[in-house]
Amino acid sequence: GAVVSQHPSWVICKSGTSVKIECRSLDFQATTMFWYRQFPKQSLMLMATSNEGSKATYEQGVEKDKFLINHASLTLSTLTVTSAHPEDSSFYICSAQNGQGPGAGELFFGEGSRLTVL
Amino acid sequence: GESVGLHLPTLSVQEGDNSIINCAYSNSASDYFIWYKQESGKGPQFIIDIRSNMDKRQGQRVTVLLNKTVKHLSLQIAATQPGDSAVYFCAEKIGPGGSYIPTFGRGTSLIVHP
Repeated sequence: GAVVSQHPSWVICKSGTSVKIECRSLDFQATTMFWYRQFPKQSLMLMATSNEGSKATYEQGVEKDKFLINHASLTLSTLTVTSAHPEDSSFYICSAQNGQGPGAGELFFGEGSRLTVL
Repeated sequence: GESVGLHLPTLSVQEGDNSIINCAYSNSASDYFIWYKQESGKGPQFIIDIRSNMDKRQGQRVTVLLNKTVKHLSLQIAATQPGDSAVYFCAEKIGPGGSYIPTFGRGTSLIVHP
Protein backbone atom coordinates (compact mmCIF):
# COMPACT_ATOMS: atom_id res chain seq x y z
CA GLY A 1 0.00 0.00 0.00
CA ALA A 2 0.89 3.65 -0.22
CA VAL A 3 3.47 4.90 2.25
CA VAL A 4 3.92 8.27 3.85
CA SER A 5 7.20 8.88 5.57
CA GLN A 6 7.83 11.46 8.28
CA HIS A 7 11.23 12.59 9.43
CA PRO A 8 12.44 12.91 12.08
CA SER A 9 10.36 10.50 14.11
CA TRP A 10 11.44 12.28 17.26
CA VAL A 11 13.39 15.43 18.01
CA ILE A 12 14.51 17.24 21.12
CA CYS A 13 15.45 20.88 20.85
CA LYS A 14 16.22 23.88 23.01
CA SER A 15 13.68 26.60 23.53
CA GLY A 16 13.97 29.30 20.89
CA THR A 17 15.27 27.11 18.12
CA SER A 18 13.38 26.11 14.98
CA VAL A 19 12.59 22.56 13.99
CA LYS A 20 11.66 21.25 10.55
CA ILE A 21 9.58 18.12 10.05
CA GLU A 22 9.32 16.50 6.64
CA CYS A 23 6.43 14.54 5.21
CA ARG A 24 6.99 12.55 2.03
CA SER A 25 4.65 10.44 -0.06
CA LEU A 26 6.87 7.63 -1.27
CA ASP A 27 4.91 6.01 -4.08
CA PHE A 28 2.20 8.45 -5.07
CA GLN A 29 1.73 12.12 -5.82
CA ALA A 30 0.02 14.01 -3.05
CA THR A 31 -1.76 17.14 -4.21
CA THR A 32 -2.93 17.76 -0.67
CA MET A 33 -1.24 17.13 2.65
CA PHE A 34 -2.61 17.74 6.11
CA TRP A 35 -0.77 18.52 9.32
CA TYR A 36 -2.09 17.59 12.75
CA ARG A 37 -0.89 17.86 16.30
CA GLN A 38 -1.88 15.52 19.04
CA PHE A 39 -1.45 15.90 22.77
CA PRO A 40 -1.32 12.82 25.02
CA LYS A 41 -4.64 10.99 25.27
CA GLN A 42 -6.34 13.50 23.00
CA SER A 43 -7.62 13.50 19.47
CA LEU A 44 -5.80 14.67 16.37
CA MET A 45 -6.28 18.38 15.84
CA LEU A 46 -6.02 19.62 12.28
CA MET A 47 -3.52 22.46 12.03
CA ALA A 48 -3.43 23.20 8.33
CA THR A 49 -4.15 21.95 4.85
CA SER A 50 -1.29 22.16 2.39
CA ASN A 51 -1.81 22.17 -1.37
CA GLU A 52 1.13 21.77 -3.71
CA GLY A 53 2.32 25.07 -5.08
CA SER A 54 0.05 27.27 -3.02
CA LYS A 55 -0.14 28.71 0.47
CA ALA A 56 -1.35 26.51 3.26
CA THR A 57 -4.77 27.00 4.78
CA TYR A 58 -4.54 27.21 8.54
CA GLU A 59 -7.24 26.25 11.02
CA GLN A 60 -8.55 28.85 13.38
CA GLY A 61 -6.19 29.47 16.28
CA VAL A 62 -3.10 28.11 14.54
CA GLU A 63 -0.41 30.74 14.05
CA LYS A 64 0.85 30.63 10.48
CA ASP A 65 4.03 32.51 11.39
CA LYS A 66 4.72 30.00 14.13
CA PHE A 67 4.04 26.89 12.07
CA LEU A 68 5.46 27.42 8.61
CA ILE A 69 4.26 24.96 5.99
CA ASN A 70 5.80 24.48 2.60
CA HIS A 71 4.49 22.10 -0.06
CA ALA A 72 6.93 22.67 -2.87
CA SER A 73 6.49 19.37 -4.67
CA LEU A 74 3.89 16.67 -5.10
CA THR A 75 5.78 14.36 -2.77
CA LEU A 76 7.06 16.63 -0.02
CA SER A 77 5.56 18.96 2.56
CA THR A 78 7.46 20.44 5.46
CA LEU A 79 6.33 21.88 8.78
CA THR A 80 8.72 24.23 10.54
CA VAL A 81 8.05 25.08 14.15
CA THR A 82 9.74 28.43 14.56
CA SER A 83 11.17 29.67 17.86
CA ALA A 84 9.90 26.57 19.59
CA HIS A 85 8.82 26.71 23.21
CA PRO A 86 7.97 23.93 25.68
CA GLU A 87 4.24 24.35 24.98
CA ASP A 88 4.94 23.36 21.37
CA SER A 89 5.99 19.93 22.54
CA SER A 90 3.58 17.54 20.91
CA PHE A 91 3.12 14.69 18.46
CA TYR A 92 2.89 16.04 14.91
CA ILE A 93 1.32 13.86 12.25
CA CYS A 94 0.99 14.44 8.54
CA SER A 95 -1.32 12.80 6.06
CA ALA A 96 -1.18 12.82 2.28
CA GLN A 97 -4.03 12.55 -0.15
CA ASN A 98 -3.46 10.59 -3.33
CA GLY A 99 -4.04 13.02 -6.18
CA GLN A 100 -4.51 10.75 -9.18
CA GLY A 101 -5.25 7.31 -10.56
CA PRO A 102 -7.61 4.68 -9.15
CA GLY A 103 -6.69 5.61 -5.63
CA ALA A 104 -7.38 9.31 -5.99
CA GLY A 105 -8.72 10.81 -2.82
CA GLU A 106 -7.35 8.14 -0.51
CA LEU A 107 -5.67 9.44 2.61
CA PHE A 108 -2.51 7.98 4.10
CA PHE A 109 -0.85 8.90 7.39
CA GLY A 110 2.74 9.22 8.42
CA GLU A 111 4.07 7.64 11.58
CA GLY A 112 4.25 10.96 13.39
CA SER A 113 7.05 13.10 14.78
CA ARG A 114 7.41 13.65 18.49
CA LEU A 115 8.78 17.07 19.35
CA THR A 116 10.11 17.82 22.81
CA VAL A 117 11.19 21.38 23.53
CA LEU A 118 13.37 21.85 26.60
CA GLY B 1 -18.52 16.70 14.33
CA GLU B 2 -17.58 15.79 17.79
CA SER B 3 -15.39 18.00 19.86
CA VAL B 4 -11.69 17.50 19.51
CA GLY B 5 -9.06 18.16 22.10
CA LEU B 6 -11.04 16.50 24.88
CA HIS B 7 -9.78 13.49 26.76
CA LEU B 8 -10.64 10.22 25.13
CA PRO B 9 -13.48 8.01 26.34
CA THR B 10 -12.35 4.50 27.19
CA LEU B 11 -13.83 1.11 26.46
CA SER B 12 -12.45 -1.82 28.46
CA VAL B 13 -13.20 -5.37 27.36
CA GLN B 14 -11.98 -8.86 28.06
CA GLU B 15 -10.05 -10.77 25.45
CA GLY B 16 -12.47 -12.72 23.28
CA ASP B 17 -15.40 -10.38 23.83
CA ASN B 18 -16.91 -8.34 21.04
CA SER B 19 -16.29 -4.58 21.08
CA ILE B 20 -18.50 -1.82 19.75
CA ILE B 21 -17.10 1.66 19.23
CA ASN B 22 -19.40 4.50 18.28
CA CYS B 23 -19.03 7.73 16.38
CA ALA B 24 -21.43 10.54 15.55
CA TYR B 25 -21.08 12.87 12.59
CA SER B 26 -22.85 16.10 11.84
CA ASN B 27 -22.76 16.66 8.09
CA SER B 28 -25.59 14.97 6.21
CA ALA B 29 -23.69 15.54 2.94
CA SER B 30 -20.92 13.17 4.00
CA ASP B 31 -20.84 10.21 1.65
CA TYR B 32 -17.80 8.24 2.74
CA PHE B 33 -16.63 7.21 6.20
CA ILE B 34 -13.48 5.62 7.48
CA TRP B 35 -12.36 4.07 10.72
CA TYR B 36 -8.74 4.43 11.81
CA LYS B 37 -6.75 2.67 14.49
CA GLN B 38 -3.94 4.49 16.23
CA GLU B 39 -1.48 2.60 18.37
CA SER B 40 0.55 4.43 20.96
CA GLY B 41 3.23 6.61 19.41
CA LYS B 42 2.20 5.86 15.83
CA GLY B 43 0.14 7.45 13.10
CA PRO B 44 -3.44 6.34 12.34
CA GLN B 45 -3.92 3.20 10.26
CA PHE B 46 -6.85 2.55 7.95
CA ILE B 47 -9.17 -0.20 9.19
CA ILE B 48 -12.32 -0.16 7.13
CA ASP B 49 -14.46 2.23 5.15
CA ILE B 50 -18.07 2.49 4.07
CA ARG B 51 -19.95 4.55 1.52
CA SER B 52 -23.22 6.24 2.28
CA ASN B 53 -25.16 3.96 -0.08
CA MET B 54 -24.44 1.08 2.28
CA ASP B 55 -25.48 0.49 5.86
CA LYS B 56 -23.11 -2.32 6.68
CA ARG B 57 -19.73 -3.51 5.56
CA GLN B 58 -17.70 -6.40 6.89
CA GLY B 59 -14.00 -6.98 6.98
CA GLN B 60 -11.84 -9.45 8.79
CA ARG B 61 -13.19 -9.46 12.36
CA VAL B 62 -14.50 -5.93 11.88
CA THR B 63 -17.89 -4.64 10.81
CA VAL B 64 -18.90 -1.04 10.25
CA LEU B 65 -22.53 -0.02 10.56
CA LEU B 66 -23.86 3.24 9.22
CA ASN B 67 -27.13 4.83 10.29
CA LYS B 68 -27.63 7.91 8.18
CA THR B 69 -30.94 8.75 9.84
CA VAL B 70 -29.26 9.57 13.12
CA LYS B 71 -25.83 10.26 11.64
CA HIS B 72 -24.19 7.47 13.57
CA LEU B 73 -21.36 5.14 12.73
CA SER B 74 -20.17 2.14 14.69
CA LEU B 75 -17.23 -0.22 14.51
CA GLN B 76 -17.69 -3.74 15.77
CA ILE B 77 -14.66 -5.87 16.52
CA ALA B 78 -15.30 -9.57 16.96
CA ALA B 79 -13.30 -11.71 19.36
CA THR B 80 -11.25 -8.75 20.54
CA GLN B 81 -7.56 -9.44 21.05
CA PRO B 82 -4.91 -7.64 23.11
CA GLY B 83 -3.40 -6.40 19.85
CA ASP B 84 -6.61 -4.50 19.21
CA SER B 85 -5.81 -2.18 22.12
CA ALA B 86 -5.49 1.25 20.55
CA VAL B 87 -7.38 4.47 19.97
CA TYR B 88 -10.04 4.33 17.27
CA PHE B 89 -11.19 7.34 15.26
CA CYS B 90 -13.80 7.86 12.60
CA ALA B 91 -13.42 10.34 9.74
CA GLU B 92 -15.73 11.44 6.95
CA LYS B 93 -15.66 12.73 3.39
CA ILE B 94 -18.15 15.24 2.12
CA GLY B 95 -19.85 14.91 -1.26
CA PRO B 96 -18.84 13.37 -4.59
CA GLY B 97 -15.44 14.58 -5.61
CA GLY B 98 -15.02 16.44 -2.40
CA SER B 99 -12.04 16.27 -0.15
CA TYR B 100 -12.01 14.55 3.16
CA ILE B 101 -13.02 16.50 6.17
CA PRO B 102 -9.81 15.52 7.83
CA THR B 103 -10.94 16.46 11.29
CA PHE B 104 -11.29 13.58 13.66
CA GLY B 105 -13.83 12.89 16.32
CA ARG B 106 -12.87 12.43 19.93
CA GLY B 107 -11.80 8.87 19.38
CA THR B 108 -12.23 5.97 21.75
CA SER B 109 -9.46 4.24 23.62
CA LEU B 110 -9.99 0.48 23.54
CA ILE B 111 -8.29 -1.51 26.28
CA VAL B 112 -8.33 -5.28 25.97
CA HIS B 113 -7.60 -7.25 29.11
CA PRO B 114 -6.06 -10.71 28.70
